[in-house]
Amino acid sequence: DAGVTQSPTHLIKTRGQQVTLRCSPKSGHDTVSWYQQALGQGPQFIFQYYEEEERQRGNFPDRFSGHQFPNYSSELNVNALLLGDSALYLCASSLVDNGYTFGSGTRLTVV
Amino acid sequence: GNSVTQMEGPVTLSEEAFLTINCTYTATGYPSLFWYVQYPGEGLQLLLKATKADDKGSNKGFEATYRKETTSFHLEKGSVQVSDSAVYFCALLLGGSYIPTFGRGTSLIVHP
Repeated sequence: DAGVTQSPTHLIKTRGQQVTLRCSPKSGHDTVSWYQQALGQGPQFIFQYYEEEERQRGNFPDRFSGHQFPNYSSELNVNALLLGDSALYLCASSLVDNGYTFGSGTRLTVV
Repeated sequence: GNSVTQMEGPVTLSEEAFLTINCTYTATGYPSLFWYVQYPGEGLQLLLKATKADDKGSNKGFEATYRKETTSFHLEKGSVQVSDSAVYFCALLLGGSYIPTFGRGTSLIVHP
């Protein structure tokens, strides 16, 4: 049983560009959450998707947007990249409140 | 608001030493508490959890007891191994919320 799958694993982008990160949840999970983890910090909540709708959002600007597809997979889009967006982006899936399963993350570097 | 405070790292120990990583929380209500572990280059893995006061979560030799009176959930292990080297995150989840709040993480380095 595959866990949470994220792609790509690493990515380098230039300031001002746009990026799309992808996540496939664990089989049977219907909720996907995205987190940003800066170096040496804990994960910061970006938003959560359930039933293809954004259910809750953290304190991130509108440059961060997302989508959930009917098969529960999800995308995170970031526009107008800044150097400060460099981080590990984690996707976590869950079913109701039965605990999160995290993917290995996408390491984004903005130069 | 809700928050989790962990002890600063890194915590450096020799193999077979006793481990304690402190975690305290502030919450409006009675949260569930979690410890996650992150190995280098990987995502977070749930290590253990406790859902009510005086519950003890345990897994792989690690233990943590939910102490409501001290709002704490300290992680302990009697004898650490080199393979335990990782970053440990304490987190809380309030009933009715879907989003856990994480601490900043504590790095553990175990030397042979």
